[in-house]
Amino acid sequence: GAGVSQSPSNKVTEKGKDVELRCDPISGHTALYWYRQRLGQGLEFLIYFQGNSAPDKSGLPSDRFSAERTGESVSTLTIQRTQQEDSAVYLCASSFQPYTEAFFGQGTRLTVV
Amino acid sequence: ILNVEQSPQSLHVQEGDSTNFTCSFPSSNFYALHWYRWETAKSPEALFVMTLNGDEKKKGRISATLNTKEGYSYLYIKGSQPEDSATYLCAFRGGGNKLTFGTGTQLKVEL
Repeated sequence: GAGVSQSPSNKVTEKGKDVELRCDPISGHTALYWYRQRLGQGLEFLIYFQGNSAPDKSGLPSDRFSAERTGESVSTLTIQRTQQEDSAVYLCASSFQPYTEAFFGQGTRLTVV
Repeated sequence: ILNVEQSPQSLHVQEGDSTNFTCSFPSSNFYALHWYRWETAKSPEALFVMTLNGDEKKKGRISATLNTKEGYSYLYIKGSQPEDSATYLCAFRGGGNKLTFGTGTQLKVEL
């Protein structure tokens, strides 16, 4: 596709359930980022993938959060046993190289009830 | 923890006014400074990527400057228009390559 694609665009889940968010980066982009924005707050870094290097997981808030990326393609962010504080917009971005501009998807709005 | 700070937090200007806002970031281990515009109901869109001390970039009525030695960047908008209303984010890239974002400056341009 022409841009970064995220699915689903909206997700409402019950507390305690697991959710999986998907990101399709722009083809050929080696770098992929996950961020989240909770209500009234800024963009919070979660995880960064660069090619085949070990991901930078330093932003994952707890061990309930994990992410995978297959090569330089699709990434999934999984949240286990969701809590209400996980409610946020989850944004994925990709860039051609680590030092070039990042292109963002439209985000997944997650609501935990 | 990297501190990337933006000021002011929000700004209201009249159409035609020129305005500017600030991003401050660590002056050590600098690789790049990005500026993004984030309009409501859309995704953030890149404006500039700046890498060299003294860099100046321009896109239409928007320009940016960079001072890596003292750790700040300014974004300028000349002759603001209502369509400039958005949140402007800066992001610092250090040696680890991840982008650390500031909390943004929310700009509202009124008729």
